[in-house]
Amino acid sequence: TQLLEQSPQFLSIQEGENLTVYCNSSSVFSSLQWYRQEPGEGPVLLVTVVTGGEVKKLKRLTFQFGDARKDSSLHITAAQPGDTGLYLCAGDLTGGSYIPTFGRGTSLIVHP
Amino acid sequence: DAGITQSPRHKVTETGTPVTLRCHQTENHRYMYWYRQDPGHGLRLIHYSYGVKDTDKGEVSDGYSVSRSKTEDFLLTLESATSSQTSVYFCAISESGSSTDTQYFGPGTRLTVL
Repeated sequence: TQLLEQSPQFLSIQEGENLTVYCNSSSVFSSLQWYRQEPGEGPVLLVTVVTGGEVKKLKRLTFQFGDARKDSSLHITAAQPGDTGLYLCAGDLTGGSYIPTFGRGTSLIVHP
Repeated sequence: DAGITQSPRHKVTETGTPVTLRCHQTENHRYMYWYRQDPGHGLRLIHYSYGVKDTDKGEVSDGYSVSRSKTEDFLLTLESATSSQTSVYFCAISESGSSTDTQYFGPGTRLTVL
């Protein structure tokens, strides 16, 4: 059973379009992180959200943590080819020493 | 960029042979992790370490062992490699091990078991 479900699995869009990817669970997370991974490299942390309802912005990326801390979304405005990559969410179920649970990821391709 | 290196970066081996992957950090971070990444499964934790000689199992630890004799090095050993262990392996480090801490990932090792 996958504890963190990400959707969509794949997304192919044109430059300038907006998009939203989702990370959902039936469990409550004490915190949730979003990573971006480019081909042939390791994931890089984008943001950490810890409070239900929290919204964080990173340039054209907007991250939201659900009020019940069971879901999160990542919205990209005016996508650019440089946004291409695998977006992963990772959550902490334990609240103690961090044993992260990763979703399977959303693979995004932005065409020029 | 955090100072994390993995070696080798690519390896092809045969079923039944032992394989050791090395992760080296220059950040003096306490926590180190080994993950594997497979299509359709995402990143799964194999083992992690919370200090020298202190290690614990992750979600998919069967067939793997680890050792950490120095702060900077975390070794992952496949005692007898199987084709199901063909994967990309990532090492990560974290300063405090808390859920709000940043995990820094290495560049990965692509392992093929024939």
